[in-house]
Amino acid sequence: KNEVEQSPQNLTAQEGEFITINCSYSVGISALHWLQQHPGGGIVSLFMLSSGKKKHGRLIATINIQEKHSSLHITASHPRDSAVYICAVSAGAGSYQLTFGKGTKLSVIP
Amino acid sequence: NAGVTQTPKFRILKIGQSMTLQCTQDMNHNYMYWYRQDPGMGLKLIYYSVGAGITDKGEVPNGYNVSRSTTEDFPLRLELAAPSQTSVYFCASSYERVSYNSPLHFGNGTRLTVT
Repeated sequence: KNEVEQSPQNLTAQEGEFITINCSYSVGISALHWLQQHPGGGIVSLFMLSSGKKKHGRLIATINIQEKHSSLHITASHPRDSAVYICAVSAGAGSYQLTFGKGTKLSVIP
Repeated sequence: NAGVTQTPKFRILKIGQSMTLQCTQDMNHNYMYWYRQDPGMGLKLIYYSVGAGITDKGEVPNGYNVSRSTTEDFPLRLELAAPSQTSVYFCASSYERVSYNSPLHFGNGTRLTVT
């Protein structure tokens, strides 16, 4: 079974700071998802990636398949980025299941 | 498009009662999922469906049942509610398998308390 570890568990940053959230997994995967859970509880998909790097606005996601590690970066952080960020991995190409990390709670202070 | 719609948002049940959590999506997605989220834990898959008439168990199916009579609807049934089923439940859908880099679309969640 794949184990997904996220770090840090909690992160407080000043507005404008560059933020990095890490995700490590134990078994080779076919896809990795980054999700954002708003303070109100809703969950949205940010990225899916199986290799390399993706960018959307101020968010950048990278993955290193050999090291079984992914990072989510937020540039020029803003209080509206305050949320829980969740990493999830899919074990194989035919899999319907994701293994989720416990999430990283980010608070951005004005 | 409304996306994925879940009802109700909140519910309190007594031990032994039953209820159905409703989930509907208007994106014509074949793949639908039910997850539960417990405090401090990652989401866990309860059941999933790959199309109308086809359902299968996930990681934590005990105490739950599902059906998928149409592409749009995927209700989750709780029989004989127990305190261990106190959780936040999320319905989700995707166009393709999640292993194929297909994004998940989530409902807003149902907060269920069993007392």
